[in-house]
Amino acid sequence: AQSVTQPDIHITVSEGASLELRCNYSYGATPYLFWYVQSPGQGLQLLLKYFSGDTLVQGIKGFEAEFKRSQSSFNLRKPSVHWSDAAEYFCAVGASRNTGFQKLVFGTGTRLLVSP
Amino acid sequence: ETGVTQSPTHLIKTRGQQVTLRCSSQSGHNTVSWYQQALGQGPQFIFQYYREEENGRGNFPPRFSGLQFPNYSSELNVNALELDDSALYLCASSSGLYTGELFFGEGSRLTVL
Repeated sequence: AQSVTQPDIHITVSEGASLELRCNYSYGATPYLFWYVQSPGQGLQLLLKYFSGDTLVQGIKGFEAEFKRSQSSFNLRKPSVHWSDAAEYFCAVGASRNTGFQKLVFGTGTRLLVSP
Repeated sequence: ETGVTQSPTHLIKTRGQQVTLRCSSQSGHNTVSWYQQALGQGPQFIFQYYREEENGRGNFPPRFSGLQFPNYSSELNVNALELDDSALYLCASSSGLYTGELFFGEGSRLTVL
């Protein structure tokens, strides 16, 4: 069964500092991997996704993530954090075509706090 | 292009009641999924509808049911509400079964007293 672990519940970063949010997944086949962001009272917005190919994926708002199969990881990074990046970040793994339907399994999220 | 819209945004029910949540999918999208997000948790997959039929379901009891209409809008129905059903219910649409990218609405916040 698929699973996602986000080991950090909260992270506080100073504005302008770099950011790395950790994500580890468990899945038997080649995974589809996603990072979503959720602001308070809002739905989920897709930041980036990995299906295949280049293991370094660029997303919106200056975010990137690197897929490392050997470590079963898909960590999210940003070189310089802005105050508006404060939100909840979710990593998710998607089912492959073999299941007959599309289901995302989400981690429990990492809340990012940005200090002045 | 209209995004995914959900209604109502907030509602309060009591145990044992029934609730219907509604979702209008993004224009051109024929697949709708529903997720439950409890406080402090990640979203959990309830089920997916494709071309008006349920084609995948998570670990939710039968009192969670749904519909998809010819215009691809959708409803989530929950019968015999329990306190643990209190959550944010998210609808997501996509343009096919395996596009990978889901477009989420802002959710319906259900409180069960």
